Formats: sequence, C-alpha cells, structure tokens
Amino acid sequence: GESVGLHLPTLSVQEGDNSIINCAYSNSASDYFIWYKQESGKGPQFIIDIRSNMDKRQGQRVTVLLNKTVKHLSLQIAATQPGDSAVYFCAETFRGSARQLTFGSGTQLTVLP
Amino acid sequence: GAVVSQHPSWVICKSGTSVKIECRSLDFQATTMFWYRQFPKQSLMLMATSNEGSKATYEQGVEKDKFLINHASLTLSTLTVTSAHPEDSSFYICSAILPGTGAYNEQFFGPGTRLTVL
Repeated sequence: GESVGLHLPTLSVQEGDNSIINCAYSNSASDYFIWYKQESGKGPQFIIDIRSNMDKRQGQRVTVLLNKTVKHLSLQIAATQPGDSAVYFCAETFRGSARQLTFGSGTQLTVLP
Repeated sequence: GAVVSQHPSWVICKSGTSVKIECRSLDFQATTMFWYRQFPKQSLMLMATSNEGSKATYEQGVEKDKFLINHASLTLSTLTVTSAHPEDSSFYICSAILPGTGAYNEQFFGPGTRLTVL
C-alpha cells in the first residue's frame, strides 16, 4: 500500500503528561510495525517495533499497542518531555516486500512547558 | 550501533544541473539500501530499492532515468538527480538494512540531504 500525507496531524501535550499517537495501517498482510521519531531536518530514528504475533510491547517510557482486527497501531509516551517534541511516524512492512517500509502520514507532537 | 551517513547534508544547485548524493553504511555492510523522498510536512515516500551489484528497483511513478541509483559496493549507494528542476527540491533520505537480523531486518536511516534547486 501507499501512504500519502497531505497534511500533518498535530498533538500538543503538557510536559509530564502521557501522549498517545495513533496510526491506521493499510495492509492486512503487514507483519512488522515500527515507530520512528523524526526531528526537524534529520532522518527517522527508531523508537520501538512490534511483530504481528504480539499486541503490546513496552520499552523505556514507550509502549506500542497493535490491534490487527481494525488495523490500528498506537504509541504511548509516558511522562512526555520537551525532547520528545518531533514528528512521529508509524511504518509497516511484510515479508514478501523485501522489507520495504510503508510510512504513515505522521503526527507532529509538541510538548508544552 | 549501526550508522548510516549521507553526503552532502544539503546542496543548492541551478536548474538543469545534476546532483549526486552519497549514502554510506559506516560500520556494516549493506546489500540492500533504500532511497526515500520527503516533501515538507509530508511522510517519507519510497523511491527505489538499491541492491549491491544489480539494478535498482524503482517505485511506480519514479523516473529511473532521472534518479540514477548506483550501489557499487556493500557500503555505498549513490543517488544522482539528473537535470534537476525546482520541483525536485526535497529532503532525500537513505536507509540500509543491517544484515543478519533475521526475518525482521532492521533498517537504519541516514540523516538526510536537503536539495534545493533554483
């Protein structure tokens, strides 16, 4: 599938609050999902991944939830900090795609002081 | 960790000229690299898959004669934008697959190259 981003959804949260960023993916055959953080003028940075045989995975301050029934992915960031301000992308891939990634449209997270 | 670099980090050129962007895997060998293009406020769009020693595979709508990709070694892929025009101005990002990471190959991204065509 293709992801075309015509606009960038935004999310503003207070410092210290939890953030939830959502993503709808397109391909029911996708079996691996990744969240990336992209700061202005930089390349994407890996945050956390999840395989399709799981529905939840936790990292340091981050949790990814996968709902295959509705093809939905979410990223939860606990105790959001100013350094978390960035654009967050989900990406999907599947075994038969030579591991090409299809990126979602992204969400701009702004952490307010 | 695996590091991918790009050079240059930014370039400004005149319309009609060609620009070469390099993507290097610094501490690992990558048989497969990817090239993406990203317009402002938009997502990354895959342009092509670059395989060492063979021709690149281009995504639909990407002109292979305009965006020349060469993956001559296991640590270097180059993207040449030929006869660049202002509409080619974009942020170009490469990534490389870290081999040996099994079925869920991890991709590492370069820092991107900002191309501005006047």
